Amino acid sequence: AQKVTQAQTEISVVEKEDVTLDCVYETRDTTYYLFWYKQPPSGELVFLIRRNSFDEQNEISGRYSWNFQKSTSSFNFTITASQVVDSAVYFCALSDTTTSGTYKYIFGTGTRLKVLA
Amino acid sequence: EAGVVQSPRYKIIEKKQPVAFWCNPISGHNTLYWYLQNLGQGPELLIRYENEEAVDDSQLPKDRFSAERLKGVDSTLKIQPAELGDSAVYLCASSLGTSGRDTQYFGPGTRLTVL
Repeated sequence: AQKVTQAQTEISVVEKEDVTLDCVYETRDTTYYLFWYKQPPSGELVFLIRRNSFDEQNEISGRYSWNFQKSTSSFNFTITASQVVDSAVYFCALSDTTTSGTYKYIFGTGTRLKVLA
Repeated sequence: EAGVVQSPRYKIIEKKQPVAFWCNPISGHNTLYWYLQNLGQGPELLIRYENEEAVDDSQLPKDRFSAERLKGVDSTLKIQPAELGDSAVYLCASSLGTSGRDTQYFGPGTRLTVL
């Protein structure tokens, strides 16, 4: 069954602290795609990263980094030196193929990050 | 490049009234999605269009919800009649291609309140 679990409902950190948001997924496919989105208070989901199942290299973009581990079915997201502007809800999503041959995009329930000044 | 445009941003209606949401995807994007997002939850797909064709509407409550994407560009999602439980944010997204690897880009959403 296709599933995305973000067990952390809410995290609060003090500015400049590092924080890791966890994402665990379930899929039967060997080819799939994982995504992270940011949803600030304005409501619009902002795309952050896409990763395919064949590329397990970790990625770094500025203060953001992602750790993809197929062995544990996890795709965790770390923000280094957090800032108040990082406060938002972060969603992990999985895209894989359904039994009918089409693809399905499934989102986790999100993790609300609060960065305190 | 303009992003996904949605209107209205907010809508308040009485139950049993009809309501419609409009979405204009990113220019050139072939696939359009409508999602429902309840408070504290992730988006859930209602319907996906590839060009003008609805290729996945399995989660759309067809007794009261309808959607169309005429000419394969703009799309309208309608609820008639609205129920209290329909209060949520309705998100529209688009992607360039028609495969699962394509990144979806989201609009700001329409927040619906049914009284």
